[in-house]
Amino acid sequence: EVQLVESGGGLVQPGGSLRLSCAASGFTFNSYDMSWVRQAPGKGLEWVSYISASTNTIYYADSVKGRFTISRDNAKNSLYLQMNSLRDEDTAVYYCARGRVSSDYWGQGTLVTVSS
Amino acid sequence: DIQMTQSPSSLSASIGDRVTITCRASQSISSYLNWYQQRPGKAPKLLIYAASSLQSGVPSRFSGSGSGTDFTLTISSLQPEDFATYYCQQSYSTWTFGQGTKVEIK
Repeated sequence: EVQLVESGGGLVQPGGSLRLSCAASGFTFNSYDMSWVRQAPGKGLEWVSYISASTNTIYYADSVKGRFTISRDNAKNSLYLQMNSLRDEDTAVYYCARGRVSSDYWGQGTLVTVSS
Repeated sequence: DIQMTQSPSSLSASIGDRVTITCRASQSISSYLNWYQQRPGKAPKLLIYAASSLQSGVPSRFSGSGSGTDFTLTISSLQPEDFATYYCQQSYSTWTFGQGTKVEIK
């Protein structure tokens, strides 16, 4: 069974940092591109970042470029999102999602709250 | 960046109704268009990929059509479990989601 389990969310002050993890199981992780998508409370879905299976290609949304870093460890079947210089507007549930052209599996999400 | 515009933003419908949601891209995205369903507190669920292909396990009352810039999601006969928010997504150039359509009980 394919599973994606996010962790690492929590409460952080503006300007702080947080590292999210996504543990993958039930499929060949190193064969799949992965992305992070977020959803602010009561709002729609916003794509955050993408990383190819081989880590050769990485993209970021303009809203996080220069502050967030996506990475993966294929040996550990894990995806990461390092979030620095966090702002109030980064408050959201963060999902990891499998795939490039479409995403057939999503994690349950981890809540990041940026507040003083 | 490619912008996605969904309409309507919300709708009220009854069980058994035919429901249509539209999505327009700011430029041609060929058939790189997906539809997701999201229930409150849950992760999005893929319904339709490549504009018109039904994801495995999704009921056949869901269908998608379109190409280029204009796309449609149709629910042929609305069921109680279909009350949710629906999002279109383009994957032609990175990802962009539409703003969502909330389907509510009439």
